[in-house]
Amino acid sequence: EADIYQTPRYLVIGTGKKITLECSQTMGHDKMYWYQQDPGMELHLIHYSYGVNSTEKGDLSSESTVSRIRTEHFPLTLESARPSHTSQYLCASSLAGLRAQETQYFGPGTRLLVL
Amino acid sequence: ILNVEQSPQSLHVQEGDSTNFTCSFPSSNFYALHWYRWETAKSPEALFVMTLNGDEKKKGRISATLNTKEGYSYLYIKGSQPEDSATYLCALSGEKLTFGTGTRLTIIP
Repeated sequence: EADIYQTPRYLVIGTGKKITLECSQTMGHDKMYWYQQDPGMELHLIHYSYGVNSTEKGDLSSESTVSRIRTEHFPLTLESARPSHTSQYLCASSLAGLRAQETQYFGPGTRLLVL
Repeated sequence: ILNVEQSPQSLHVQEGDSTNFTCSFPSSNFYALHWYRWETAKSPEALFVMTLNGDEKKKGRISATLNTKEGYSYLYIKGSQPEDSATYLCALSGEKLTFGTGTRLTIIP
């Protein structure tokens, strides 16, 4: 069973607020990812990291930022939330990189609603 | 750029019936095809990873096949049970993991 955690699970917040979505994994995986999913749409990669102090943007442009100071922790931050940021955000981790056959393990997601 | 299509978008199946759905892709330029099951309010759970044309994988009542030459993968569920209700996602790993929109399966008791 995957040990990857996300908090909060649900968040309703007003426009202009700064928010941080937390993601932690206890599997010792080097690779971590953030995906965004709008209702009825595909999961899209917005950020990924191959290790401590390594972060890259994914294929979907996002105003969010990420950091990777510790292997197990990969938080995502929105400096000023807007209604267009309303979405579901999923965190994942894996042993190998994006090109490999290795399975990605997902957290339960955070549903964000910006009013 | 990988393109992944899943059909049908949603499916209602009577408990006990068997069912299958499709993941199709126009290009076989990928490293692996992944199937995930995503139950509401839970984490997506990996079901299968397939890499070779003709691959067949099985896990209990669920199985999957891969045909890279014709560009599709099938997921089969035999004797559907209520706990099979979920969204089933297909994804291709190339430069990144590219997901389809999923098939939402509802089992009717």
